[in-house]
Amino acid sequence: QSVLTQPPSASGTPGQRVTISCSGSSSNIGGNTVSWYQHLPGTAPKLLISTNNQRPSGVPDRFSGSKSGTSASLAISGLQSEDEADYYCAAWDDSPNGLWVFGGGTKLTVL
Amino acid sequence: QVQLQQSGPGLVKPSGTLSLTCAVSGGSISTNNWWNWVRQPPGRGLEWIGEIYHSGNTHYSPSLRSRVTMSVDKSKNQFSLKLNFVTAADTAVYYCARGLEAYHHGMDVWGQGTTVTVSS
Repeated sequence: QSVLTQPPSASGTPGQRVTISCSGSSSNIGGNTVSWYQHLPGTAPKLLISTNNQRPSGVPDRFSGSKSGTSASLAISGLQSEDEADYYCAAWDDSPNGLWVFGGGTKLTVL
Repeated sequence: QVQLQQSGPGLVKPSGTLSLTCAVSGGSISTNNWWNWVRQPPGRGLEWIGEIYHSGNTHYSPSLRSRVTMSVDKSKNQFSLKLNFVTAADTAVYYCARGLEAYHHGMDVWGQGTTVTVSS
């Protein structure tokens, strides 16, 4: 059971806008920033969004992130076939000693 | 730009020790970054193992703390993971990753991944 809660699956057709939610608590998302990762099979995870809504250089502006309270979301607009992947949210958790927590991942299918 | 190159055995015997190393190239390990280990068991999601700073300070996952040791070798510009008393549940793809300089805002550079199987 992951500390952060994501829907296990999402889908959309090319060109559509899709959002993926991530729910946490006051000790993680509520008090720290959220990052999002794209993970394709056989490759390393790729940072898509840091600090709730910042895109690293090279990440298309079709990807955007937001945070409100203890929840966050990743939006992908103009969906493309190459966006089919697993997406994970993550946040630092202020539990004793501290730790990174991840969502369980959302499998995005482009129909 | 900074790249991470992982090395280590892909097969470990039960009750043995898993040892992996992550070499940092294109930059120094002695920067304002935390250096992480993350794993993905088959069919499951990402799981954080722990992180280390170049000073040697560490944070470990509570579920693995009793079996994990991380270290930094500044002379070789690399950091390492040791996981003791492994079982089949430790079978996973292991990744090293660099934390952003902005404290705990994300992990921006990842190693290529090492598939580790625990089996006799």
